[in-house]
Amino acid sequence: DTAVSQTPKYLVTQMGNDKSIKCEQNLGHDTMYWYKQDSKKFLKIMFSYNNKELIINETVPNRFSPKSPDKAHLNLHINSLELGDSAVYFCASSPYGLSYEQYFGPGTRLTVT
Amino acid sequence: KNQVEQSPQSLIILEGKNCTLQCNYTVSPFSNLRWYKQDTGRGPVSLTIMTFSENTKSNGRYTATLDADTKQSSLHITASQLSDSASYICVVANYGGSQGNLIFGKGTKLSVKP
Repeated sequence: DTAVSQTPKYLVTQMGNDKSIKCEQNLGHDTMYWYKQDSKKFLKIMFSYNNKELIINETVPNRFSPKSPDKAHLNLHINSLELGDSAVYFCASSPYGLSYEQYFGPGTRLTVT
Repeated sequence: KNQVEQSPQSLIILEGKNCTLQCNYTVSPFSNLRWYKQDTGRGPVSLTIMTFSENTKSNGRYTATLDADTKQSSLHITASQLSDSASYICVVANYGGSQGNLIFGKGTKLSVKP
């Protein structure tokens, strides 16, 4: 019974392509997040959605577009991939906002060649 | 500027020994502080989450402390095990509810050797 799941786990693609990463949580949480972890293992929040509504949008290129079809799903679409986008992307969820602990997915390792 | 600084950057200890990891923050206004454990190749897992009024919290062999006056936190690991080898990340939330932000430290990489 995976709480927060992501697909795919690994993604290798060429520069300029468009790709999506999917995230689903079965915890009934209201808030979902996307994080990027770079090669130095530094985690940085990218987006946060609460009940399908964007509440945090850090400074990321507009090539990154989150989409939340319902509160259990938060997908990340990336246009015109660049070498610097190579990283591990984590999805997370929490019951409501930042007052509660977050549950992270297993991560998606994106490699852009 | 909101910042979270962790020390040491890396640490090697022998199995069975104790250790303490440090976290200093300059985040305002403060909502809560949490410690995460991240195994290699996995997502972070929450160990503790503390609000302003809490100064210590335990989760098994992990004990976190918080001094809101000096803006310092520590994570003490007792009787370390090989499975404790991981990165430990300190995160501070400001505001709360549905608004605000999370400020991440760069983590401490702990290696427990037999």
